[in-house]
Parts: sequence; C-alpha cells; structure tokens
Amino acid sequence: QVQLVQSGAEVKKPGASVKVSCKASGYTFTSYDINWVRQATGQGLEWMGWMNPNSGNTGYAQKFQGRVTMTRNTSISTAYMELSSLRSEDTAVYYCARGSLSATGDYWGQGTLVTVSS
Amino acid sequence: SYELTQPPSVSVSPGQTASITCSGDKLGDKYACWYQQKPGQSPVLVIYQDSKRPSGIPERFSGSNSGNTATLTISGTQAMDEADYYCQAHGVFGTGTKVTVL
Repeated sequence: QVQLVQSGAEVKKPGASVKVSCKASGYTFTSYDINWVRQATGQGLEWMGWMNPNSGNTGYAQKFQGRVTMTRNTSISTAYMELSSLRSEDTAVYYCARGSLSATGDYWGQGTLVTVSS
Repeated sequence: SYELTQPPSVSVSPGQTASITCSGDKLGDKYACWYQQKPGQSPVLVIYQDSKRPSGIPERFSGSNSGNTATLTISGTQAMDEADYYCQAHGVFGTGTKVTVL
C-alpha cells in the first residue's frame, strides 16, 4: 500500500532552517510528483511547491521562492523540504503529498509539526 | 494571485444534502478537486478532475465545475462526514468550509 512517512516534530529558533523528510513506499517513487503543503494551527491549507523525483525539477509558490528548497534521494525513495530564515509565522504542520489525478495529493504524509520560537 | 473562495460553514441534518461551493475566476476552465480533513488528521482526496471519486470514497460524494463555481455535494450526509472541506485548482487551495452535521 502507498505510504508517505515524514520525519518527526522540530523546534527551531527564528532565523534557522528546517529540513523535513518524506519517505515513500508502496509505489515507484520516481513516477509521481511530490507536493509540499503546510497548515498553521486553525488555518487552511497552503501549497508550497512541487518536485519531480525523476528529474529533480521543482516549482515553488511565489511566497516561498528564495526560502524553500525541495530535493530528493531516489536511492532511498525520500523527498526533502528545507525552509530557511524561519520566523514565527512559519510555525505549522508541514505535509508531503503524492501528486496524481490532477490533484496535489492522492496520498498524504502524516504531517510534521515545525515550531519556530525563541 | 489566484484565489478560491468558499463559505466558512455549512450546516446539514443527517440524511440531507450538503452543497459546498468554491468560487474563482474562470474556475470551470481548470480541473478542481476536493479534500476532506478531520481534526488532527491529514487531508483525504474525495473528488478529483471536477467530478471523479477516488477508490474507496463513498458514492454520496459528487462534484461539478462550471463557469466560476465548483460544487461538492454530499448526499445523504452522515455524522462521519462532519469535517473541513477544501477545494483546490491550479495549485491553489480554497479558504475551507466547516461542515457540521446537526
């Protein structure tokens, strides 16, 4: 069965960076895009960007350009999302999702809580 | 930037029909999809490509998309359908609708 398993919760100080991982299993990792979406507590979903695990090509939402980097390691079927220059407003649950069916995510990871606090 | 607007809340009695709208400029020219999210859980895709249901999604969920509005309809709403629902198109998520089953 398709699974996306994300890394554990992180606590970071303002100005630092965070790198969240997303390990895929149950399908061919290079055949589907990986999207990243975040959700602040009590707020809606916010799309951050996508990555093609086969080519490594990426596309980022304008809001995050210059601060986000999406990469992958195909040998271990894992995608990564790194967000830099963290501020308190970046406190949120970060999700990875498999892109398919013209949708951002037909399967989603369990989410990773990133807390930015001094 | 592109925006999708949903009503903040919709209330429905058990067994009745709930309709959730999603409005955006020329939305009908794009594929819309819908997600269900229950508290503390990851979103679940319930409709893709305007009106198709992924495997495992009950038939009571249906969708349409035309003009500037996409609509998610839940027929014979059950208590388990109480959740937040988000539309999405072109990488943009809607503002979200809380469905309450009274």
